[in-house]
This record gives sequence, C-alpha cells and structure tokens, in this order.
Amino acid sequence: NAGVTQTPKFQVLKTGQSMTLQCAQDMNHNSMYWYRQDPGMGLRLIYYSASEGTTDKGEVPNGYNVSRLNKREFSLRLESAAPSQTSVYFCASSAPEWTSGPQGDIQYFGAGTRLSVL
Amino acid sequence: AQRVTQPEKLLSVFKGAPVELKCNYSYSGSPELFWYVQYSRQRLQLLLRHISRESIKGFTADLNKGETSFHLKKPFAQEEDSAMYYCALIWSGNTGKLIFGQGTTLQVKP
Repeated sequence: NAGVTQTPKFQVLKTGQSMTLQCAQDMNHNSMYWYRQDPGMGLRLIYYSASEGTTDKGEVPNGYNVSRLNKREFSLRLESAAPSQTSVYFCASSAPEWTSGPQGDIQYFGAGTRLSVL
Repeated sequence: AQRVTQPEKLLSVFKGAPVELKCNYSYSGSPELFWYVQYSRQRLQLLLRHISRESIKGFTADLNKGETSFHLKKPFAQEEDSAMYYCALIWSGNTGKLIFGQGTTLQVKP
C-alpha cells in the first residue's frame, strides 16, 4: 500500500521554466491537497480538490494551477517559475467526515518535492 | 479569521524533562484540532486529534476553549521525540481543509 506518492522528489528550475508536480493516492480518497512548506511559515494550502472534477483555491494559489485528472491523481503546475516558489511541496489526501465518518478528515501526506528555482 | 499560532520555533530540552509545545488558535465555530509530526526523513503524519482524547507515544493534548489553546504535552521527553511538530485546525465546514501553525522543532538532547 503506497499511500500518497509524489514525483519528482527533487527539482531545480530556472526562472521562467514550467513544470508539473505529480501526486497519486491509492486510498480511494475523495479529497486531495497541495501545500507548500517554508521555514517559519508552516504549511500553507495552495489548492485543494474536494472531489473528482472540482478544484478550489487555498491560501496561496498565485502562480500555480492544478488538475484533478481522476480520483487518484492531482497535479500542480508552475507555468513560469519564480525564485519565490522555491519550497518543499507536499501533496495530501483525505476522505472527509461526511463520506467516511470521524476518521475521514485525517490527512495523509506524500514524501514531498523539494523545488529550487534559480 | 481562522488562525493557528505556535509561538516557539525551537524547543530544546534534555532527555527525561517535561515537554510542552504551545498552540493557540482563533476560530469562530467549534474547533477541531490536530497535532501532526514530521520526523527526520519521514513524511508528515498525524500524531493525535482532540476528539480522540487519546495518548500517543506518551503525548497528550487538551483543548482549552477558554484560553483557545491546544498545547501538546509529554511528561518525560525521549530522544526519538525530536521532530517538527505542527498544530492544525480544520478550516471550514466539511471540506477537510487544514490551517497549520508555523511549526515547532523539538530537540531532545541526551
């Protein structure tokens, strides 16, 4: 049982380049999330998807786009990378309480993608 | 606005000493709070949640609505407790979105 899988683990980009971070979960969860982790800032929500076919903005969506390709996969795209997007990116998934009871809102995280934009 | 505050970036204690990681929140409704932990080279994972009222790895956390706090405590720290700890609040409704605090690094010295 792999849980939440993120690729790549590391990436270095030049300013202006684009890339897509991939995330897949095999727990049949409805909801998926993208966070960025920065020193002193904690984890901040970039985008989330409450269910297949829906996406919505989080706290810090500017400069990012997402696609919920199917129930398993939720990708994050940087169209034109900037140094301010240097961060560690985490994908997570959960099955909200209204679908699976009180244990449903626990989030399960991927191992993270460490991105540097030069 | 909903907010989670962890005032300490770093907490350093000796093995066997008591530990308290502070977490304060602001939320207009009935809060649902969590502690997540990230050990070195491991992924972020749930440590405990207030509705479970359980002790995990010797840690407990009590929700104090009067003081709007959810501090994490352990009476005797172990070296393996060294990690980054995040307090988190369910953002709104039934979306499952979390608001995280800034995180506290716990360093347990031998």
